Order: sequence, then C-alpha cells, then structure tokens
Amino acid sequence: AQTVTQSQPEMSVQEAETVTLSCTYDTSENNYYLFWYKQPPSRQMILVIRQEAYKQQNATENRFSVNFQKAAKSFSLKISDSQLGDTAMYFCAFMKRGGATNKLIFGTGTLLAVQP
Amino acid sequence: NAGVTQTPKFRILKIGQSMTLQCTQDMNHNYMYWYRQDPGMGLKLIYYSVGAGITDKGEVPNGYNVSRSTTEDFPLRLELAAPSQTSVYFCASSYFGTSATGNYGYTFGSGTRLTVV
Repeated sequence: AQTVTQSQPEMSVQEAETVTLSCTYDTSENNYYLFWYKQPPSRQMILVIRQEAYKQQNATENRFSVNFQKAAKSFSLKISDSQLGDTAMYFCAFMKRGGATNKLIFGTGTLLAVQP
Repeated sequence: NAGVTQTPKFRILKIGQSMTLQCTQDMNHNYMYWYRQDPGMGLKLIYYSVGAGITDKGEVPNGYNVSRSTTEDFPLRLELAAPSQTSVYFCASSYFGTSATGNYGYTFGSGTRLTVV
C-alpha cells in the first residue's frame, strides 16, 4: 500500500522569502503522479502543481516548483517570493497512474503561515 | 461550467439522524469520489465510483452508503449519524485520459462541514 508522509505540521515564512515544504512517499509502483494541493481558509482544494513520475524534469508553475527525487521517494515544494495569499494548508498526494480507480493518497498536511 | 457542486455547505445533525450529502458534476467524468477530512489526518477515501452503477468502498466506508444512478450524481448517505462522523466532506471527480481539453486531473467540490451532536 502507498503512504505519503509530511513531517512538518506547521511552517512560517516572511513575506517575499522562500520556503520549502517536505513530502516523502512509499510505493512499489513505477508509474504514478504526485501532487501538491493548497487549501486556504475557504476550504477549497486547489491544485498547485503536478509531477508525472516518468518525467525527470521538475515541474514548475510560476513561483512554485518541486524537487522530485524518484530514487529517494521525495517530492518537496518550493515557494519563492512568498505572498500573504500563500497562507494555507498544503497537502502532498500520490496517485497510481493507469490504475482502475485514480484514487488519491494524501499526506497529513503542512500549515504554512506567511508573515508580513 | 460549474465543475463539482456539493450541497449543503454546512449541517448540524443530532446523533441517530440521517442525511444525504449531494454531489453533482457537469464534466462527464466517469470517476467520482467521497473523501472526509479530519484535523491533522489529511483526506481519507470513503467511497468511489468508476461509472454509473458501479461503486466500491474506500479506506473508511463504515457508516456510509453511496449510489451512482447517473454519470452526473454521486450522493453520500449517512444513515445513523454518530459523533465520529463529524468532519469535512469533499466530493471529487477525475479524468486522466489523453485529452488536452483542460479537464485533465481532479476537480473537488467546495466541501461540506458536518457536525454531529
């Protein structure tokens, strides 16, 4: 069974600085997706970034980038130039690619506070 | 394009009462899901469906039932509410085919905060 671990329950960063959120996972699968979701106080689940395991290049979306280390089963999220609107809970998630269900396995989340 | 619509957004139930959380999507996705989110626990899968007429249990199905009579609708039924079912519930749908339409991936509803007292 797959598991996703986020070892940082809470983090804080000053506005305009850079912060990295950690995520590790355990799987015997070779073909899968990894995701970072943002959940602001509005409760909405917002996709931040997606990485396909067969792609060696790390995914980037504007100020958000990942460091995907497949052999180490590590998938960290870097937020550059942090903004107050980045304050949210962040979830790392795993999905087996090509499976019968497309179900997501979530980590327990990291609460990020961006300080002015 | 409304995406995934969940109702209600908030609900308070008394122990032993029943209710149905409604979920509908307009993206013609075959795959739909119900997750619950408890503090410090992430999201756990309750039930899922891979198409109309097909449902199956996830990690935490006890105390819940689902049905999928149409592609669009996937209601979640709580028969005898218990305090342990106090949680935030998310409905979602997914599509991971080869289309480049932009509906590639997961779409979540806005959630239902349920309190059982």
